[in-house]
Amino acid sequence: AQKITQTQPGMFVQEKEAVTLDCTYDTSDQSYGLFWYKQPSSGEMIFLIYQGSYDEQNATEGRYSLNFQKARKSANLVISASQLGDSAMYFCAMREVTSGTYKYIFGTGTRLKVLA
Amino acid sequence: NAGVMQNPRHLVRRRGQEARLRCSPMKGHSHVYWYRQLPEEGLKFMVYLQKENIIDESGMPKERFSAEFPKEGPSILRIQQVVRGDSAAYFCASSPLPGTSGMTYEQYFGPGTRLTVT
Repeated sequence: AQKITQTQPGMFVQEKEAVTLDCTYDTSDQSYGLFWYKQPSSGEMIFLIYQGSYDEQNATEGRYSLNFQKARKSANLVISASQLGDSAMYFCAMREVTSGTYKYIFGTGTRLKVLA
Repeated sequence: NAGVMQNPRHLVRRRGQEARLRCSPMKGHSHVYWYRQLPEEGLKFMVYLQKENIIDESGMPKERFSAEFPKEGPSILRIQQVVRGDSAAYFCASSPLPGTSGMTYEQYFGPGTRLTVT
């Protein structure tokens, strides 16, 4: 069965420090996509970053980077120079292609608290 | 360029009533997904639809829940005879048509509908 595992229910980081949020996945597909979403206390889901299974380079978007280790099936999110506004829930997700359609599976999330 | 719209944002129903949740996808998106999020939990996939077609409803409870995405108008998630355990945030997401060149097919989420059953 395909699944996403986020083993850190909660994390603390000091403002301006970097933090890594872990995500491992399990799939037998060769083609898949990995995503990270942020959910602040207001509740909306915000897309942060994407990594395709065939992408050779790690994805980066501003202060976000995705540490993609295909052999280990991990897709950790790195947030550099943390800000107070980064305090939120973070969800890792995987998209699979099945019979030409897409299905997305989400992890249970990591709650990040940035300390001043 | 409007994002994914969901209404209502908050819905209160008494046990036994029906709840209707609406979702309008982003312009140009033909795929709609519904998810449920219980307090302090992750997103649970419910159903995946295209216009006039249910693609995957493997996450949908067998009874009381139904979803549609008509040719015209928003996608509707309907919960009949609601119970307290249905209280949750329901998110709709849309994504573009597969095969669109250069697309990463990330999902864009609506703001969610928070259903409270009293």
